[in-house]
Amino acid sequence: IQMTQSPSSLSASVGDRVTITCRASQTISTYLNWYQQKPGKAPNLLIYAASSLQSGVPSRFSGSGSGTDFTLTISSLQPDDFATYYCQQSFFTPLTFGGGTKVEIK
Amino acid sequence: QVQLVESGGGVVQPARSLRLSCAASGFTFSNYGMHWVRQAPGKGLEWVAVISYDGSNKYYADSVKGRFTISRDNSKNTLYLQMNSLRADDTAVYYCAKDTSPITIVATADYWGQGTLVTVSS
Repeated sequence: IQMTQSPSSLSASVGDRVTITCRASQTISTYLNWYQQKPGKAPNLLIYAASSLQSGVPSRFSGSGSGTDFTLTISSLQPDDFATYYCQQSFFTPLTFGGGTKVEIK
Repeated sequence: QVQLVESGGGVVQPARSLRLSCAASGFTFSNYGMHWVRQAPGKGLEWVAVISYDGSNKYYADSVKGRFTISRDNSKNTLYLQMNSLRADDTAVYYCAKDTSPITIVATADYWGQGTLVTVSS
């Protein structure tokens, strides 16, 4: 299953609403996770099962979608949110990640 | 608290072998599936393999199938990745990660190690 993220990068300001999309090459129901990764660090789970917020993750992060189209939204971008975001399908092995979306400071 | 500490990375020549280890603590290791995920320098994440809580089920990425073997020793709370016939494109930081759900693999990783770098070069 191929996972396609868009955009591959974006520039945004603190306080902006940011939306990242992820498309699966076949239907995966809601078997979709989102991770955040900062440079030199391991990924951090943000959202699982498409829309469930992982414990300890700020509520400004939200996920939606089902089937083939998914969205990660950051409602009000904070300085700590500048990072790369990856989607990952958990429907079928081999598990696959999207190519990543780098969120940079405008 | 959950801790995962990888070791065993380094520089290795093409076609040689290397074994990575991941020492787990802070949770009941024997109850959870475990993953290896890698990241080539400057690239995205690539899932490598997963093993069930008891070692009875193992799944691999096509890119490593037949060359890499995932295993675990629940008595030592340790996960392994045996890598044979290494190629230049296996160069990456290798992360071990814990599956979120006990017993059943749900293919979602909630805790990750800091990673260990494997460089395949002559």
